[in-house]
Amino acid sequence: DVVLTQTPSTLSATIGQSVSISCRSSQSLLDSAGNTYLYWYLQRPGQSPQLLIYLVSNLGSGVPNRFSGSGSGTDFTLKISGVEAEDLGVYYCMQATHAPYTFGAGTKLELK
Amino acid sequence: EVQLQQSGAELVKPGASVKLSCKTSGYTFSNYYMSWLKQMPGQNIEWIGNIYGGNGGTGYNQKFKGKATLTVDKSSSTAYMDLSSLTSEDSAVYFCAKIFFNYGSYWYFDFWGPGTMVTVSS
Repeated sequence: DVVLTQTPSTLSATIGQSVSISCRSSQSLLDSAGNTYLYWYLQRPGQSPQLLIYLVSNLGSGVPNRFSGSGSGTDFTLKISGVEAEDLGVYYCMQATHAPYTFGAGTKLELK
Repeated sequence: EVQLQQSGAELVKPGASVKLSCKTSGYTFSNYYMSWLKQMPGQNIEWIGNIYGGNGGTGYNQKFKGKATLTVDKSSSTAYMDLSSLTSEDSAVYFCAKIFFNYGSYWYFDFWGPGTMVTVSS
């Protein structure tokens, strides 16, 4: 199975600070059709995960544009440009290029 | 408004089975896939499998074959997951998640249920 390694595991930030989360894959996530099925989800405390980013860099519906995704192949990054209080929670990257779909272990974003 | 309503928490004995439900509304159930996912306390999320609402066609994570069985009831727009031969390793929160599919090339989980906690204990 594809292993997704997220760093850091915990991230402390102040409101307004910009932060980045890395997701590194054990295999390239580029498929034969040229698509890269790399997603980012946020799970707020006590809630279900919600989509932030699909196909590396596309914002989900209703997701604020302070979130952005980038990367290719095996290295991907989620950036939050100006953390807000509602952004606190655990961020997961997920891949669906290779079966079975797998998730990273998560990055917990907390207030400093 | 799309809603996924999952069944309540379960406390089950080791070796028993349990059937979880995910009742949907607000969209045409038979036109979409549903996934089931597992999240152990404080841990990673694992994908269990997908099922198509139209014909019940399934795809499983090999790890969960023999453990989980996915079914649907189109008449009630409900997806089900049977978990068998339960052990402490099956204690977790189980989510259903609707799949949005763009026939151009991409898909994602667009709506998630609130989760059902399953506790396996004697």
